[in-house]
Amino acid sequence: GAGVSQSPSNKVTEKGKDVELRCDPISGHTALYWYRQSLGQGLEFLIYFQGNSAPDKSGLPSDRFSAERTGGSVSTLTIQRTQQEDSAVYLCASSSASGVVETQYFGPGTRLLVL
Amino acid sequence: AQSVTQPDIHITVSEGASLELRCNYSYGATPYLFWYVQSPGQGLQLLLKYFSGDTLVQGIKGFEAEFKRSQSSFNLRKPSVHWSDAAEYFCAASFAGNMLTFGGGTRLMVKP
Repeated sequence: GAGVSQSPSNKVTEKGKDVELRCDPISGHTALYWYRQSLGQGLEFLIYFQGNSAPDKSGLPSDRFSAERTGGSVSTLTIQRTQQEDSAVYLCASSSASGVVETQYFGPGTRLLVL
Repeated sequence: AQSVTQPDIHITVSEGASLELRCNYSYGATPYLFWYVQSPGQGLQLLLKYFSGDTLVQGIKGFEAEFKRSQSSFNLRKPSVHWSDAAEYFCAASFAGNMLTFGGGTRLMVKP
């Protein structure tokens, strides 16, 4: 079946602009995660959605970052007033979460460059 | 603090040689452990995982990993490396929550 998809693949924006990154999880997966991969910080957790529960936002680096998950499926990560340090690859993952911990399946990522 | 460490940033091996990539974690209990591989421009692909039970786990592409509680390690091994194995390898752990904590990655280069 189809894997996790993300769009756009690449995004170039100017400092101060807002950007939206989209994630389509694997059909039927109730858990969705966002991670960021940058040269300086490696791979770091941002936010986690599980079903209809309140999201775990503990990894968001600042209040310029927010995410939504509509209808328990598609998620959008929004970065407001982008800064150059936001340049990174943003990875989305989903899991079935049928057990305590389930395997996360990752999308190809969105490469964000802030000029 | 909970953490995952991959001591080797780069490793170069000859094609056909054996491979071992190191991973250590810091945690008061046994976490769930994973190895992912990332090829250039690609997302992360799961190689194998350890949740409990047999400490030697088999994965895809001929990889295996051994969990050693006494050493807080989960090293990845392959008996004979192929040129297509050149990629970046990430060890990850799930500690108290469902999110993954990743090591810094090990970039593998394969010499012909």
